[in-house]
Amino acid sequence: DAGVIQSPRHEVTEMGQEVTLRCKPISGHNSLFWYRQTMMRGLELLIYFNNNVPIDDSGMPEDRFSAKMPNASFSTLKIQPSEPRDSAVYFCASSPGTGGSGEQYFGPGTRLTVT
Amino acid sequence: GQQLNQSPQSMFIQEGEDVSMNCTSSSIFNTWLWYKQDPGEGPVLLIALYKAGELTSNGRLTAQFGITRKDSFLNISASIPSDVGIYFCAGLPPRSGNTGKLIFGQGTTLQVKP
Repeated sequence: DAGVIQSPRHEVTEMGQEVTLRCKPISGHNSLFWYRQTMMRGLELLIYFNNNVPIDDSGMPEDRFSAKMPNASFSTLKIQPSEPRDSAVYFCASSPGTGGSGEQYFGPGTRLTVT
Repeated sequence: GQQLNQSPQSMFIQEGEDVSMNCTSSSIFNTWLWYKQDPGEGPVLLIALYKAGELTSNGRLTAQFGITRKDSFLNISASIPSDVGIYFCAGLPPRSGNTGKLIFGQGTTLQVKP
Protein backbone atom coordinates (compact mmCIF):
# COMPACT_ATOMS: atom_id res chain seq x y z
CA ASP A 1 0.00 0.00 0.00
CA ALA A 2 1.21 3.50 -0.79
CA GLY A 3 2.01 5.69 2.14
CA VAL A 4 1.54 9.43 2.33
CA ILE A 5 2.81 11.04 -0.85
CA GLN A 6 4.26 14.54 -0.93
CA SER A 7 5.50 16.66 -3.80
CA PRO A 8 7.84 18.15 -4.58
CA ARG A 9 10.55 16.58 -2.40
CA HIS A 10 12.72 19.65 -2.77
CA GLU A 11 11.81 23.22 -3.64
CA VAL A 12 14.16 26.15 -4.04
CA THR A 13 12.59 29.51 -4.69
CA GLU A 14 13.30 33.19 -4.39
CA MET A 15 11.84 35.43 -1.76
CA GLY A 16 8.47 36.77 -2.79
CA GLN A 17 7.51 33.82 -4.95
CA GLU A 18 4.47 31.66 -4.33
CA VAL A 19 5.12 28.11 -3.15
CA THR A 20 2.63 25.26 -3.25
CA LEU A 21 3.24 21.98 -1.46
CA ARG A 22 1.09 18.96 -2.19
CA CYS A 23 0.00 15.94 -0.22
CA LYS A 24 -1.92 12.77 -0.93
CA PRO A 25 -2.94 11.03 2.31
CA ILE A 26 -3.28 7.30 2.81
CA SER A 27 -6.53 6.10 1.28
CA GLY A 28 -9.29 5.82 3.84
CA HIS A 29 -7.68 8.12 6.39
CA ASN A 30 -9.98 10.84 7.67
CA SER A 31 -7.50 13.25 9.23
CA LEU A 32 -4.65 15.14 7.60
CA PHE A 33 -1.96 17.18 9.29
CA TRP A 34 0.62 19.69 8.03
CA TYR A 35 3.81 20.09 10.06
CA ARG A 36 6.93 22.21 9.74
CA GLN A 37 10.29 21.05 11.08
CA THR A 38 13.33 23.23 11.76
CA MET A 39 16.41 22.78 13.89
CA MET A 40 15.44 25.68 16.11
CA ARG A 41 11.77 24.92 16.68
CA GLY A 42 11.53 21.19 16.08
CA LEU A 43 8.28 19.73 14.75
CA GLU A 44 5.41 22.23 14.70
CA LEU A 45 1.80 21.49 13.79
CA LEU A 46 0.53 24.09 11.33
CA ILE A 47 -3.01 22.96 10.57
CA TYR A 48 -5.09 19.81 10.51
CA PHE A 49 -8.21 18.65 8.72
CA ASN A 50 -10.83 16.12 9.67
CA ASN A 51 -13.06 14.85 6.85
CA ASN A 52 -11.65 17.60 4.61
CA VAL A 53 -12.69 20.34 7.03
CA PRO A 54 -10.01 22.51 8.70
CA ILE A 55 -10.28 21.95 12.45
CA ASP A 56 -7.43 23.93 13.92
CA ASP A 57 -5.22 26.38 12.04
CA SER A 58 -3.79 28.07 15.13
CA GLY A 59 -0.32 26.87 14.18
CA MET A 60 -0.28 28.68 10.85
CA PRO A 61 2.37 31.33 11.37
CA GLU A 62 0.96 34.14 9.26
CA ASP A 63 -1.64 35.06 6.71
CA ARG A 64 0.94 34.24 4.08
CA PHE A 65 0.22 30.59 4.80
CA SER A 66 -2.95 28.89 3.63
CA ALA A 67 -4.06 25.27 3.29
CA LYS A 68 -6.88 23.55 1.48
CA MET A 69 -8.27 20.06 1.24
CA PRO A 70 -10.69 19.99 -1.68
CA ASN A 71 -11.26 16.24 -1.39
CA ALA A 72 -10.27 13.25 0.70
CA SER A 73 -7.24 12.43 -1.43
CA PHE A 74 -5.53 15.78 -1.85
CA SER A 75 -4.33 18.75 0.18
CA THR A 76 -2.17 21.78 -0.52
CA LEU A 77 -0.16 24.13 1.64
CA LYS A 78 0.54 27.46 0.01
CA ILE A 79 2.93 30.20 1.02
CA GLN A 80 2.48 33.54 -0.69
CA PRO A 81 4.73 35.48 -0.67
CA SER A 82 7.53 33.26 0.58
CA GLU A 83 10.31 34.56 2.85
CA PRO A 84 13.74 33.14 3.77
CA ARG A 85 12.52 32.31 7.28
CA ASP A 86 10.01 29.90 5.75
CA SER A 87 12.89 27.61 4.85
CA ALA A 88 12.19 24.30 6.57
CA VAL A 89 11.05 20.75 5.94
CA TYR A 90 7.28 20.51 5.61
CA PHE A 91 5.60 17.21 6.43
CA CYS A 92 2.14 15.97 5.72
CA ALA A 93 0.72 13.18 7.87
CA SER A 94 -2.55 11.30 7.81
CA SER A 95 -4.45 9.39 10.43
CA PRO A 96 -7.42 7.04 10.44
CA GLY A 97 -9.12 9.81 12.40
CA THR A 98 -12.65 9.08 13.48
CA GLY A 99 -12.59 5.95 15.59
CA GLY A 100 -8.82 5.80 15.38
CA SER A 101 -6.29 5.83 18.14
CA GLY A 102 -4.18 8.83 17.17
CA GLU A 103 -1.59 7.07 15.02
CA GLN A 104 -0.25 9.40 12.36
CA TYR A 105 1.69 8.33 9.30
CA PHE A 106 4.11 10.83 7.82
CA GLY A 107 5.11 11.52 4.26
CA PRO A 108 8.75 11.94 3.22
CA GLY A 109 8.54 15.73 3.48
CA THR A 110 9.26 18.69 1.22
CA ARG A 111 12.50 20.52 1.88
CA LEU A 112 11.85 24.19 1.12
CA THR A 113 14.65 26.68 0.64
CA VAL A 114 13.76 30.33 0.12
CA THR A 115 16.66 32.50 -0.97
CA GLY B 1 -0.81 23.72 26.82
CA GLN B 2 0.35 20.19 27.35
CA GLN B 3 4.04 19.51 26.89
CA LEU B 4 6.22 16.45 26.72
CA ASN B 5 9.73 16.41 28.16
CA GLN B 6 11.87 13.92 26.30
CA SER B 7 15.28 12.83 27.56
CA PRO B 8 18.06 12.51 26.95
CA GLN B 9 18.38 15.09 24.20
CA SER B 10 21.18 13.09 22.57
CA MET B 11 23.09 9.85 23.07
CA PHE B 12 26.36 8.56 21.68
CA ILE B 13 26.81 4.87 22.34
CA GLN B 14 28.88 1.88 21.29
CA GLU B 15 27.39 -0.71 18.97
CA GLY B 16 25.90 -3.55 20.98
CA GLU B 17 24.90 -1.41 23.95
CA ASP B 18 21.33 -1.06 25.14
CA VAL B 19 19.59 2.31 24.92
CA SER B 20 16.86 3.83 27.03
CA MET B 21 14.96 7.06 26.53
CA ASN B 22 11.80 8.45 28.06
CA CYS B 23 9.08 11.06 27.91
CA THR B 24 7.30 12.63 30.83
CA SER B 25 4.46 15.08 31.25
CA SER B 26 2.47 16.72 34.00
CA SER B 27 -0.71 15.72 32.11
CA ILE B 28 -2.17 12.35 31.23
CA PHE B 29 -2.36 10.87 27.76
CA ASN B 30 -4.63 8.25 26.22
CA THR B 31 -2.09 6.97 23.70
CA TRP B 32 1.69 7.03 23.49
CA LEU B 33 3.52 6.70 20.21
CA TRP B 34 7.21 6.34 19.40
CA TYR B 35 8.64 7.45 16.05
CA LYS B 36 12.05 7.25 14.42
CA GLN B 37 13.26 9.78 11.86
CA ASP B 38 16.15 9.00 9.53
CA PRO B 39 18.03 11.88 7.89
CA GLY B 40 16.09 13.31 4.97
CA GLU B 41 12.97 11.27 5.72
CA GLY B 42 9.73 11.64 7.60
CA PRO B 43 9.13 10.14 11.06
CA VAL B 44 8.19 6.47 10.96
CA LEU B 45 5.90 4.96 13.56
CA LEU B 46 7.71 2.31 15.64
CA ILE B 47 5.37 1.42 18.48
CA ALA B 48 1.90 2.48 19.63
CA LEU B 49 0.68 2.06 23.23
CA TYR B 50 -2.98 2.32 24.20
CA LYS B 51 -3.34 1.28 27.85
CA ALA B 52 -1.65 2.30 31.08
CA GLY B 53 0.94 -0.29 32.03
CA GLU B 54 1.06 -1.76 28.53
CA LEU B 55 4.44 -3.16 27.47
CA THR B 56 4.93 -3.70 23.74
CA SER B 57 7.87 -4.98 21.72
CA ASN B 58 8.84 -4.60 18.09
CA GLY B 59 11.97 -6.60 17.43
CA ARG B 60 14.77 -5.13 19.53
CA LEU B 61 12.53 -2.25 20.60
CA THR B 62 10.41 -2.29 23.74
CA ALA B 63 8.15 0.51 24.93
CA GLN B 64 5.92 0.95 27.95
CA PHE B 65 2.92 3.13 28.74
CA GLY B 66 3.47 4.42 32.26
CA ILE B 67 1.00 3.36 34.91
CA THR B 68 0.25 6.99 35.78
CA ARG B 69 -0.42 7.71 32.07
CA LYS B 70 2.04 10.60 32.33
CA ASP B 71 5.13 8.90 30.99
CA SER B 72 6.51 6.37 28.56
CA PHE B 73 9.90 4.86 27.82
CA LEU B 74 11.55 3.25 24.82
CA ASN B 75 14.36 0.72 25.08
CA ILE B 76 16.55 -0.50 22.24
CA SER B 77 18.55 -3.63 22.92
CA ALA B 78 21.86 -4.55 21.31
CA SER B 79 22.10 -1.37 19.22
CA ILE B 80 23.37 -1.51 15.65
CA PRO B 81 24.57 1.29 13.34
CA SER B 82 21.23 1.54 11.53
CA ASP B 83 19.56 2.56 14.80
CA VAL B 84 21.08 6.00 14.25
CA GLY B 85 18.44 8.71 13.95
CA ILE B 86 16.12 10.93 15.93
CA TYR B 87 13.51 9.26 18.13
CA PHE B 88 10.32 11.13 19.01
CA CYS B 89 7.67 10.35 21.54
CA ALA B 90 4.14 11.61 20.97
CA GLY B 91 1.06 11.57 23.15
CA LEU B 92 -2.65 11.82 22.41
CA PRO B 93 -4.39 13.99 25.05
CA PRO B 94 -7.74 12.83 26.46
CA ARG B 95 -9.77 15.67 24.96
CA SER B 96 -8.43 15.45 21.42
CA GLY B 97 -11.49 13.49 20.42
CA ASN B 98 -11.31 11.59 17.17
CA THR B 99 -9.08 14.08 15.40
CA GLY B 100 -5.87 12.67 16.77
CA LYS B 101 -3.95 15.89 17.41
CA LEU B 102 -0.68 14.70 18.94
CA ILE B 103 1.76 16.39 21.29
CA PHE B 104 5.38 15.66 20.32
CA GLY B 105 8.52 15.49 22.43
CA GLN B 106 11.65 17.36 21.38
CA GLY B 107 13.40 14.24 20.15
CA THR B 108 16.40 12.13 21.20
CA THR B 109 19.28 12.02 18.72
CA LEU B 110 20.99 8.64 18.79
CA GLN B 111 24.45 8.01 17.39
CA VAL B 112 25.98 4.55 17.37
CA LYS B 113 29.71 3.99 17.12
CA PRO B 114 30.59 0.79 15.24
